[in-house]
Amino acid sequence: RKEVEQDPGPFNVPEGATVAFNCTYSNSASQSFFWYRQDCRKEPKLLMSVYSSGNEDGRFTAQLNRASQYISLLIRDSKLSDSATYLCVVRLFSGGYNKLIFGAGTRLAVHP
Amino acid sequence: SQTIHQWPATLVQPVGSPLSLECTVEGTSNPNLYWYRQAAGRGLQLLFYSVGIGQISSEVPQNLSASRPQDRQFILSSKKLLLSDSGFYLCAGTVIGETQYFGPGTRLLVL
Repeated sequence: RKEVEQDPGPFNVPEGATVAFNCTYSNSASQSFFWYRQDCRKEPKLLMSVYSSGNEDGRFTAQLNRASQYISLLIRDSKLSDSATYLCVVRLFSGGYNKLIFGAGTRLAVHP
Repeated sequence: SQTIHQWPATLVQPVGSPLSLECTVEGTSNPNLYWYRQAAGRGLQLLFYSVGIGQISSEVPQNLSASRPQDRQFILSSKKLLLSDSGFYLCAGTVIGETQYFGPGTRLLVL
């Protein structure tokens, strides 16, 4: 089983749609959680951290369910510029250092 | 805030040739540094990490090596490239308590 699993997509949605991505992780010792965004042929960039209480940043809402080991990202009012791959990331302390485990990503394509 | 530089941006190398990719960090000191590889359509695979000068840990056995000759310099090397070494190589850095930031990456094609 992969340590971080995501639906690869692609999710093809029209502008203005609401889209949700899910992610599950296998290691219950995972300490911190993030969503990164990666544009085609570019480096990943931090989109937002994910907290147990849920957090929102503009049109983006992230949720964490530690009991189910499940993370979600909701994008409201999708824009063309939201088209990218979204990486679910968990951090755990392993082997003496903080280690980030990346999911393979979910691809989003927003069309006019 | 920290900035991570990588070069070259793109590299085409023949099988069996050596490799040296450089990563430098600006705007912070004593960062933890990481080398990742991303194959086409795949997730990021951690190759090496370093918590300080001369300190390198390898995550997976492979044809590559890493060195950290200075606090803000991290180098990925190979003596003889394999076809399977092709991929997108990303250097990342973090300071304690902060998240990882990535450099722009080097796209390596081994022919």
